[in-house]
Amino acid sequence: DAGITQSPRHKVTETGTPVTLRCHQTENHRYMYWYRQDPGHGLRLIHYSYGVKDTDKGEVSDGYSVSRSKTEDFLLTLESATSSQTSVYFCAISAGEKLFFGSGTQLSVL
Amino acid sequence: GIQVEQSPPDLILQEGANSTLRCNFSDSVNNLQWFHQNPWGQLINLFYIPSGTKQNGRLSATTVATERYSLLYISSSQTTDSGVYFCAVERGRDDKIIFGKGTRLHILP
Repeated sequence: DAGITQSPRHKVTETGTPVTLRCHQTENHRYMYWYRQDPGHGLRLIHYSYGVKDTDKGEVSDGYSVSRSKTEDFLLTLESATSSQTSVYFCAISAGEKLFFGSGTQLSVL
Repeated sequence: GIQVEQSPPDLILQEGANSTLRCNFSDSVNNLQWFHQNPWGQLINLFYIPSGTKQNGRLSATTVATERYSLLYISSSQTTDSGVYFCAVERGRDDKIIFGKGTRLHILP
């Protein structure tokens, strides 16, 4: 699993509440990514980071923000959760040329 | 942005059959990878293959970068091969890694 931990693994929240998902890595890799997976859409990139405090938008960044204040942690925040953000969220790291994924977070917004 | 298309979207095969999955991309890339997502949702990296051919057991992959496509071959399929296969591409370092929508493979016993 390339030392990637996502937390929480499952979360149920209400529309309008803020939510933060955490991705933690133990191997000091520079590149980290957040994807969401929905039926019929595959994996879509939300935001990614190429270093501490260096982040950029992906394909579906509206409604999401990220922060990376230290190499090992990449946080994804939903400022005000909506039902359309119900999804499985995957964090990934790039080790050399290869991408490795965490186990995912199942988020339900009611 | 770069477009990634995978075909077929779904494939049902009998155990022991061979299969070929295709990934087309719309621009030149310096990174192409294949992944398998098992029925429990775990994503496993199969190949890093921006060009050329690689083999790993019953799986092999070929990327023809000049023609912008990659193929994943699965021989003598087993039920454990079931799941979704994704390809992903990156145009350059510090760029986005974009996924196709995947091919769902179901191997019948």
